[in-house]
Amino acid sequence: IAGITQAPTSQILAAGRRMTLRCTQDMRHNAMYWYRQDLGLGLRLIHYSNTAGTTGKGEVPDGYSVSRANTDDFPLTLASAVPSQTSVYFCASSEGRGGDNEQFFGPGTRLTVL
Amino acid sequence: GQNIDQPTEMTATEGAIVQINCTYQTSGFNGLFWYQQHAGEAPTFLSYNVLDGLEEKGRFSSFLSRSKGYSYLLLKELQMKDSASYLCAVRDSNYQLIWGAGTKLIIKP
Repeated sequence: IAGITQAPTSQILAAGRRMTLRCTQDMRHNAMYWYRQDLGLGLRLIHYSNTAGTTGKGEVPDGYSVSRANTDDFPLTLASAVPSQTSVYFCASSEGRGGDNEQFFGPGTRLTVL
Repeated sequence: GQNIDQPTEMTATEGAIVQINCTYQTSGFNGLFWYQQHAGEAPTFLSYNVLDGLEEKGRFSSFLSRSKGYSYLLLKELQMKDSASYLCAVRDSNYQLIWGAGTKLIIKP
């Protein structure tokens, strides 16, 4: 693994179903993030984690949950999917949250909720 | 509320220079980032500004004026591979990145 990987690449999901999007990084970065990207809108932060064992809410957290059991993994769970959660989801990581620490992005998961 | 404004789309000619503007209103300021995103791909980092002035990196330069809430990305010697969306993002007082919707740059031969 080099960088950040996400799985699945794409998924079509029935409304009401539970879904976990996986994210793994091998850069030993402290901070990780989940964003959604919708046409015509900027990336919006869903949840973040400053370090293993801690998580925080972003701009649009409702309907989503995360966990950070270790440094490498940061899964995002949709407990009961709704059509408005149709989006492209990007996981990202950075060494820290301040300074010139750039965020590195995974390839994204394209999710369609019907 | 917090707001990042960028033009939706711009067109330029191969070999030319283009300037992509970004204005922002955020709760605090802890740096401004520019990212490039090709269609169907993830964003990749281009530049970071935290102090006023110009940062140059090869064909790309980024400028910041904190008093005006303004930045621009300057791309020189445009190549066809520069066709992409360019995203402006500001880190606010909570150290969260607030993102603009992006500027789609179309390069014509």
